[in-house]
Amino acid sequence: EVVLTQSPGTLSLSPGERATLSCRASQTVSSNYVAWYQQTPGQAPRLLIYGASSRATGIPDRFSGSGSGTDFTLTISRLEPEDFAIYHCQQYGSPQGVTFGGGTKVEIK
Amino acid sequence: QVQLVQSGAEVKKPGASVKLSCKASGYTFTSYGIHWVRQAPGQSLEWMGWINGGNGNSKHSQKFQGRVTITRDTSANTAYMHLSNLRSEDTALYYCARPMKMIIVLYAFDLWGQGTLVTVSS
Repeated sequence: EVVLTQSPGTLSLSPGERATLSCRASQTVSSNYVAWYQQTPGQAPRLLIYGASSRATGIPDRFSGSGSGTDFTLTISRLEPEDFAIYHCQQYGSPQGVTFGGGTKVEIK
Repeated sequence: QVQLVQSGAEVKKPGASVKLSCKASGYTFTSYGIHWVRQAPGQSLEWMGWINGGNGNSKHSQKFQGRVTITRDTSANTAYMHLSNLRSEDTALYYCARPMKMIIVLYAFDLWGQGTLVTVSS
């Protein structure tokens, strides 16, 4: 099973600041099949990024994804009030199935 | 519109079973897979398994070996997840989700149900 480790667990930032979230895989993710989701309280996750760097439909360009192999990053260039949420990374490149990371909470400083 | 609508909350006793449903609308059900993902209170997301909406092939996480069965009814555009021998640790919000690509079951999920809360308590 591909284990995903997200860091940091919590990120305390102010609106307008840049957020950098990390997701590290225990083995190479095939085809860089990594996605990022945003989850706010009481809501289902929302797809932000797929294929490590492709933005999903309707996602603002302040969200960007990068990385390859085992190290992946989600960057939010300038935090808006609605961006304070929990972010999950996911790999879907393993024939054994899908795995998720433990999540990173982005909170208001 | 394109959506997944899940069945209502369940309360079960330890050792019991639960069967959740996920009804798809607004798209061709047999052209996509459906995955089941759960989230225990305050925890992250945990993948349980998937089913191919077209041919009915399914696969589940080894963690749920022998306890989970995923099925679908194409006439009702509905996927089901049956979990047996429930324990308190199974208390969670259960989501169904659809991959964004047709035919390809293992892909990022662009459509999610609203979730079904399952509470396991004696």
